Amino acid sequence: NFMLTQPHSVSESPGKTVTISCTRSGGAIVSSYVQWYQQRPGSSPTAVIYEDKLRPSGVPERFSGSVDSASNSAFLTISGLKTEDEADYYCQSYDGAIKAFGGGTRLTVL
Amino acid sequence: QVQLVQSGAEVKKPGSSVRVSCTASGGRFSNYVFSWVRQAPGQGLEWVGTIVPSFGTPTYAQKFQDRVTITADESTSTTNLELSSLTSGDTAFYYCVRDRGAGAWFDPWGQGTLVTVSS
Repeated sequence: NFMLTQPHSVSESPGKTVTISCTRSGGAIVSSYVQWYQQRPGSSPTAVIYEDKLRPSGVPERFSGSVDSASNSAFLTISGLKTEDEADYYCQSYDGAIKAFGGGTRLTVL
Repeated sequence: QVQLVQSGAEVKKPGSSVRVSCTASGGRFSNYVFSWVRQAPGQGLEWVGTIVPSFGTPTYAQKFQDRVTITADESTSTTNLELSSLTSGDTAFYYCVRDRGAGAWFDPWGQGTLVTVSS
């Protein structure tokens, strides 16, 4: 089995850049694609990054994804932070047919 | 563009079972792959299982292996999640999602169905 570990919370000021990590244990991060989801209070999650670095239609270019084999981690970077970016963010990946989420990171924009 | 609409909220007694339905519209049902994800109040997302309707055999998270059943009915474009032997720990929102692309990313998400387990 594999696991994805995220920081519990991060905070940053409007206009700044924040990076959220997602570290994989039990396998190489590069062995499977990583997705990132945003969930605002009271709403269903929506994808902001899929297949490591691709943005779904409608997601601003301020959102970007990357993967680093040395740290066995994936990263979600949000630049030019806006108050509307305040939300929970989850990474997700898979190992064959088995899928898993990270524990989630609460982003506070203050 | 596929849309997923789920059945309404449920309140169940401990030890009972629950069935949550999800109807897909806007595409060819048999072409899709569906997963179920749950989220307990104030907690994170948890993958429950996945079904490929054209193949029929689902894959389940080990945690739910012995008490979950996911089915798909092409005639009604519906996927169902049934969970048995409910406990208070099963109180959660249950989401139906479509798996997309090589990365099996989840899009779209259904609106979620709240299942409350209480005596």
